[in-house]
Amino acid sequence: AAGVIQSPRHLIKEKRETATLKCYPIPRHDTVYWYQQGPGQDPQFLISFYEKMQSDKGSIPDRFSAQQFSDYHSELNMSSLELGDSALYFCASSFLVGVNTEAFFGQGTRLTVV
Amino acid sequence: GQQVMQIPQYQHVQEGEDFTTYCNSSTTLSNIQWYKQRPGGHPVFLIQLVKSGEVKKQKRLTFQFGEAKKNSSLHITATQTTDVGTYFCAGLGGSQGNLIFGKGTKLSVKP
Repeated sequence: AAGVIQSPRHLIKEKRETATLKCYPIPRHDTVYWYQQGPGQDPQFLISFYEKMQSDKGSIPDRFSAQQFSDYHSELNMSSLELGDSALYFCASSFLVGVNTEAFFGQGTRLTVV
Repeated sequence: GQQVMQIPQYQHVQEGEDFTTYCNSSTTLSNIQWYKQRPGGHPVFLIQLVKSGEVKKQKRLTFQFGEAKKNSSLHITATQTTDVGTYFCAGLGGSQGNLIFGKGTKLSVKP
C-alpha cells in the first residue's frame, strides 16, 4: 500500500539559507500535518491542511510557510534558517473525520543547519 | 490552546514487569490515538479510542479512554525487549484538524 512520501530524506543547509521540504500524502487522505521533532523531543505540531486549505497553525515560526497544492502534495518552506531549526520534520496524512482518523507518518526529513 | 500532557517522561523496567503511561488533555477530545516510535524511526499508529470509557486490547497492550474523554492510559503487561521505544498519545480536538501529541514516555526494558 502507498505510504506518505517525504523528500528529501536528508538535507544540510547553512545558516540564513532556504529549504523546501516536500510531502506526498496517502491518496484520498484529506488532511496533511507537518511536525518538527528535535532530538529526544515529542513531535511539535506546525501546521495542517484540510482539503488544500490551511486548517490550523501550531508553533510554526514566521520564517516558515507551507502550502498544499492541487495534486494534494504539500511543501514546507523554511527561510533564514537558524541552527535551532535542525530537526526531523515529519509529514503525516489522514482522514479528518470518520471511523479511522489515524495519522500515517512519512519517514521524515532530517534537516541539519550548519 | 489545546495541550496534551503525558507522564511519566521515562520509564525503566525489568523485562516481565508491567508498564503504564498516562495522558491528560486540557480539553475534551474527539478521539485519542496512541503511537509508538522506535529510535531513529517515525511514529507508528497503534490504536484509536473514540467512545467515552472505551477499553481496547492488543495482545499485552490495554488502552483506556476516560469517561470525560480527556484522559487515557496505555498499559503493557509483562514487558518484552521489543516493547522498547517512545509511546505517544495524540489528541484530535475540535474540528480544526490539529492532532496534538503528548511529550511521550520513553520506555526502556532491561533483559
